[in-house]
Amino acid sequence: SQKIEQNSEALNIQEGKTATLTCNYTNYSPAYLQWYRQDPGRGPVFLLLIRENEKEKRKERLKVTFDTTLKQSLFHITASQPADSATYLCALDVTGGFKTIFGAGTRLFVKA
Amino acid sequence: NAGVTQTPKFQVLKTGQSMTLQCAQDMNHNSMYWYRQDPGMGLRLIYYSASEGTTDKGEVPNGYNVSRLNKREFSLRLESAAPSQTSVYFCASSRQGTVGDQPQHFGDGTRLSIL
Repeated sequence: SQKIEQNSEALNIQEGKTATLTCNYTNYSPAYLQWYRQDPGRGPVFLLLIRENEKEKRKERLKVTFDTTLKQSLFHITASQPADSATYLCALDVTGGFKTIFGAGTRLFVKA
Repeated sequence: NAGVTQTPKFQVLKTGQSMTLQCAQDMNHNSMYWYRQDPGMGLRLIYYSASEGTTDKGEVPNGYNVSRLNKREFSLRLESAAPSQTSVYFCASSRQGTVGDQPQHFGDGTRLSIL
């Protein structure tokens, strides 16, 4: 069956370090993969989109990689700050575009 | 610029009651979506509207109905609420949903409890 897996365990890191979150998927061949941030009690907010023909995408302190062979995306936050503490969701498109499948998210805690 | 606005923010219902969740967007987006989010699970698509005048079922449509009232508004109705429908409901919109490279913009959700 089709599945998206994100680490369900929270990730705890020290301020200033690089946080790396993983998104693995099976039985999909997405053309696009997106990352969202969700704060408690709020809706998800779009961060980055990467296409299947792009290996890496950067935006300020954020970097996303997309390995279609491994069926994996990595999301990096460099020089992490306590304000980066949130849940991060990966999402990928299923053929047709309307069905975007979301992972359950990984909770990140950045300690000062 | 409000983005996507959902009302109400919280609601408690008794089993069997009906309720309509409202959603409006001011970004002139063509496509709109309703999701539910349960602990430990990803967002699951209930219904979506590709454009004004069209609606289609998503992954978990049973027990729900929707209405795309106009380009701005997309409502979700529970005809006879059940405890299994206790969840957080999110409305989202995107400029055009036919291509997977369109980010979705979300409201802040309606927290619904059914006793």
